[in-house]
Amino acid sequence: SAVISQKPSRDICQRGTSLTIQCQVDSQVTMMFWYRQQPGQSLTLIATANQGSEATYESGFVIDKFPISRPNLTFSTLTVSNMSPEDSSIYLCSAGTLGHTEAFFGQGTRLTVV
Amino acid sequence: AQKITQTQPGMFVQEKEAVTLDCTYDTSDPSYGLFWYKQPSSGEMIFLIYQGSYDQQNATEGRYSLNFQKARKSANLVISASQLGDSAMYFCAMREPISNFGNEKLTFGTGTRLTIIP
Repeated sequence: SAVISQKPSRDICQRGTSLTIQCQVDSQVTMMFWYRQQPGQSLTLIATANQGSEATYESGFVIDKFPISRPNLTFSTLTVSNMSPEDSSIYLCSAGTLGHTEAFFGQGTRLTVV
Repeated sequence: AQKITQTQPGMFVQEKEAVTLDCTYDTSDPSYGLFWYKQPSSGEMIFLIYQGSYDQQNATEGRYSLNFQKARKSANLVISASQLGDSAMYFCAMREPISNFGNEKLTFGTGTRLTIIP
């Protein structure tokens, strides 16, 4: 299995600012995924983070708003840029590991934009 | 069309009773995996159980079992002897295709909020 540490666990931010969320995995993984969960909603995939190449974004999400870095096989960051109250959500990092079919998740970052 | 459908937004169940959470899915890929996750109020996603499309037997993990009906494209979660700690959101999710590399994204249903009544 994999243990995923995500930080910060929560934050309250002013509109117009940016927040970077960090995701650290305790083992090397091929793909890392970033999901958004808006209040009372399900999880929606933002992008897939590949090591050594640009992230692959889902429809409705763009790199300028959600830049992602993946400098190595155990670490990734997601930045929420120029935040507005509509960005208030839980952001979750996820990864799969070789030999496991299930995806593992970080604890999530609960973001409130005021 | 929705890939994963959970038709029960909320359920209330008496403690110690069994509960079934419904999930139907839509895919044309013969290789897929179905997952159930629990999300308590803290927000973390806890993996509960997995069923592969080629698995002959229904998956079981402790008090959790998955009622997999492939022809009906349903994968209902059954929780036996419910406990107060089972109160949470439950999400059904799918990966298509499925592999042991963990490289594929998950598609989630809208979830069911389960409340266990003492």
